[in-house]
Amino acid sequence: GAVVSQHPSRVICKSGTSVKIECRSLDFQATTMFWYRQFPKQSLMLMATSNEGSKATYEQGVEKDKFLINHASLTLSTLTVTSAHPEDSSFYICSAWVWRESAYEQYFGPGTRLTVT
Amino acid sequence: SQQGEEDPQALSIQEGENATMNCSYKTSINNLQWYRQNSGRGLVHLILIRSNEREKHSGRLRVTLDTSKKSSSLLITASRAADTASYFCATDALPQGGSEKLVFGKGTKLTVNP
Repeated sequence: GAVVSQHPSRVICKSGTSVKIECRSLDFQATTMFWYRQFPKQSLMLMATSNEGSKATYEQGVEKDKFLINHASLTLSTLTVTSAHPEDSSFYICSAWVWRESAYEQYFGPGTRLTVT
Repeated sequence: SQQGEEDPQALSIQEGENATMNCSYKTSINNLQWYRQNSGRGLVHLILIRSNEREKHSGRLRVTLDTSKKSSSLLITASRAADTASYFCATDALPQGGSEKLVFGKGTKLTVNP
């Protein structure tokens, strides 16, 4: 249990175009999901918290209009990178909390490698 | 912002040896979690230790937590080449779990040589 999937796993797009990344909880419902970005050889940086049925909460320095988040159902959150630029090239990972053994554990998707040319 | 700092940043050992990685954090926490990430892949949840726990075991993994020193360690015993990966600690800083965010350390890159 507690499987989080992402689609696509890799995407290459041209500057100026938009790209949508999907994050799904396969065997549980997630009212809250998180989106992270990871640059090569660096740690994960939280971009935003996605809340089902309400607006996402963005971390300081993350542009809301550039990284659109929609959490339309209890099993799906999407991140759309709008007007992508080469500096947006990164590894994007989503996650969700799962209640296990009287504590919340956070499980991660396999990530999406975005390359903007 | 980064909460945790892993130490060492890189560790290279021989198969069969033990590997110890440390993590320090700055604020009071509810839980601390350790994750593994193979190159270019997502994170795999290894173990969660609560703030009121001092030690936890899972297979070849042993995690300790010292809240007075705001530090944790991850010990991998009898390491294998397949353990080669980056290891991250992550903390949540609010008293109640479920909706708050995790803050990750910088990670330790472990290489286990066959």
